[in-house]
Amino acid sequence: KNQVEQSPQSLIILEGKNCTLQCNYTVSPFSNLRWYKQDTGRGPVSLTIMTFSENTKSNGRYTATLDADTKQSSLHITASQLSDSASYICVVSSRRSYNTDKLIFGTGTRLQVFP
Amino acid sequence: EAQVTQNPRYLITVTGKKLTVTCSQNMNHEYMSWYRQDPGLGLRQIYYSMNVEVTDKGDVPEGYKVSRKEKRNFPLILESPSPNQTSLYFCASSFRQSTEAFFGQGTRLTVV
Repeated sequence: KNQVEQSPQSLIILEGKNCTLQCNYTVSPFSNLRWYKQDTGRGPVSLTIMTFSENTKSNGRYTATLDADTKQSSLHITASQLSDSASYICVVSSRRSYNTDKLIFGTGTRLQVFP
Repeated sequence: EAQVTQNPRYLITVTGKKLTVTCSQNMNHEYMSWYRQDPGLGLRQIYYSMNVEVTDKGDVPEGYKVSRKEKRNFPLILESPSPNQTSLYFCASSFRQSTEAFFGQGTRLTVV
């Protein structure tokens, strides 16, 4: 069964600290993996999208890694800011047929950054 | 500004009263989709559209309808809403299904 599991469910850190969020998946066939940031009550916003051949991708203070062999991804946030408080959603895209993908969503990690 | 616009943002309605949530994108994207988000369940796809006049069911299509008469618009129709359709709804669009998706700001629907 195609699944995306994220950990931890929630996380509290102090401003300025680093943190790492985890995503494990059992999706096959794999097309790509995405990380989204979702502020409370707002739509998700894309952070990164990684294909099979990409191990690392950065977007400012956000760095995503992908290990396609172990089917694991992580999102590392450096020097956290109060505005990083949000839910972070891991989404894995599975190729169904030519040019047709199915998105499998994780339930997210809720990050709270305190001053 | 490139965006996906949903309306209304908030809606309270009664069981059985037909409603439509509109979605419009200005990026000339081919692929559009609707999701619902419920606590602890994450986002679940309701319907999607690969292009004009091409729509297909997602994971939870029961009780919903969609249409794609124009490339920019993808309305979500609830013919006879029920309380179990109370949820936060998101519309999303992308150039292709495999490319980056842009989400609307969401519509919080309450059915009483």
